[in-house]
Amino acid sequence: GAGVSQTPSNKVTEKGKYVELRCDPISGHTALYWYRQSLGQGPEFLIYFQGTGAADDSGLPNDRFFAVRPEGSVSTLKIQRTERGDSAVYLCASSITGLGETQYFGPGTRLLVL
Amino acid sequence: KQEVTQIPAALSVPEGENLVLNCSFTDSAIYNLQWFRQDPGKGLTSLLLIQSSQREQTSGRLNASLDKSSGRSTLYIAASQPGDSATYLCAVHGGSQGNLIFGKGTKLSVKP
Repeated sequence: GAGVSQTPSNKVTEKGKYVELRCDPISGHTALYWYRQSLGQGPEFLIYFQGTGAADDSGLPNDRFFAVRPEGSVSTLKIQRTERGDSAVYLCASSITGLGETQYFGPGTRLLVL
Repeated sequence: KQEVTQIPAALSVPEGENLVLNCSFTDSAIYNLQWFRQDPGKGLTSLLLIQSSQREQTSGRLNASLDKSSGRSTLYIAASQPGDSATYLCAVHGGSQGNLIFGKGTKLSVKP
């Protein structure tokens, strides 16, 4: 596809459940970013991948959050034991090399934890 | 710790007006600054990227300026249209790699 895609577009789950959110970056982009956006706020950084490796995971709020990018393309953000406070829009972005160029964002996954 | 502030939080103008959105950041040691547009329920669309060595960038009716030493950027929109209604986000890149740090955005409404 031409842009960054994310699935699902919406996810409703119950407190305590496990969820996986998927990001498919622009083909050929080596850098991939996950952000989280709460209502009325700007996106907040979670984790940055350079190829297959997590170059910076300092934004992950706690050890319930984990992300992988095993083949350097698609990434999955995994949230264990979800809490109501995890409800937000999870945004994925990619850039060509990660060296300060434009980041291209996907439409986001709206997560609601009941 | 870098903090990005956008003023005003919301702005309503009649169609045809020129307007300015403001962004300030606390640490002037930035690599670049990006302006994004976000429509309701959508992701972010990149509008302009200004490198730290640049003073301004232009794209159509949009002009973004950067004064790194004072920690400020402005986004100027000429001849506003109802289709410009959206939330505008400013974000700074602290280093050559890694994440963007965002402001909370300015919600713009252009009335026909």
